[in-house]
Amino acid sequence: EADIYQTPRYLVIGTGKKITLECSQTMGHDKMYWYQQDPGMELHLIHYSYGVNSTEKGDLSSESTVSRIRTEHFPLTLESARPSHTSQYLCASSDPAGQGSFGYTFGSGTRLTVV
Amino acid sequence: AQSVTQLDSQVPVFEEAPVELRCNYSSSVSVYLFWYVQYPNQGLQLLLKYLSGSTLVKGINGFEAEFNKSQTSFHLRKPSVHISDTAEYFCAVTTADSNYQLIWGAGTKLIIKP
Repeated sequence: EADIYQTPRYLVIGTGKKITLECSQTMGHDKMYWYQQDPGMELHLIHYSYGVNSTEKGDLSSESTVSRIRTEHFPLTLESARPSHTSQYLCASSDPAGQGSFGYTFGSGTRLTVV
Repeated sequence: AQSVTQLDSQVPVFEEAPVELRCNYSSSVSVYLFWYVQYPNQGLQLLLKYLSGSTLVKGINGFEAEFNKSQTSFHLRKPSVHISDTAEYFCAVTTADSNYQLIWGAGTKLIIKP
């Protein structure tokens, strides 16, 4: 079954460290998204991509960066982690034209704690 | 621009009772509508979606939703809830105008009381 994978599931890291959150999908979807979500709160779009070499910032300003060198891979990087970055990060993908479903498929998320 | 309003931030309900989670949207063009569920410490899972056709949509886990164009609503219902339904529920809308990006509601926490 096609799916979308996020690693790690949980990460505790010290302030100032550089981290990369991984997201990969096996569905060949062109569109991919990163959301930030505090526990029990709404989703905030921080980055999205409509294909290889295409990345855009979302509605919520974020100090993170993303890259899209391959269709299946959409990693998110924090150059210098801070306690304010503590949150859950969710990756999603979609392919409205291909599947006609218009919905998103989500990964299980990475819960990041910066101490 | 599209927007989604989930009218209740929390809905407490007794086990085996019926529940309705409310969702209203605003859009000047044709919409596609979704309900997602998020269990604790998990990503989001699609419950059901309305793309076209019958306005009553059935989804997984016994949930259903009705698209009401005149009231711009897409309320989620279940006739009898279980403790396992405890989760956060998100309503979302998308259109061609938004390049099929999902516009999200703020979520409703369903709390099942034993």
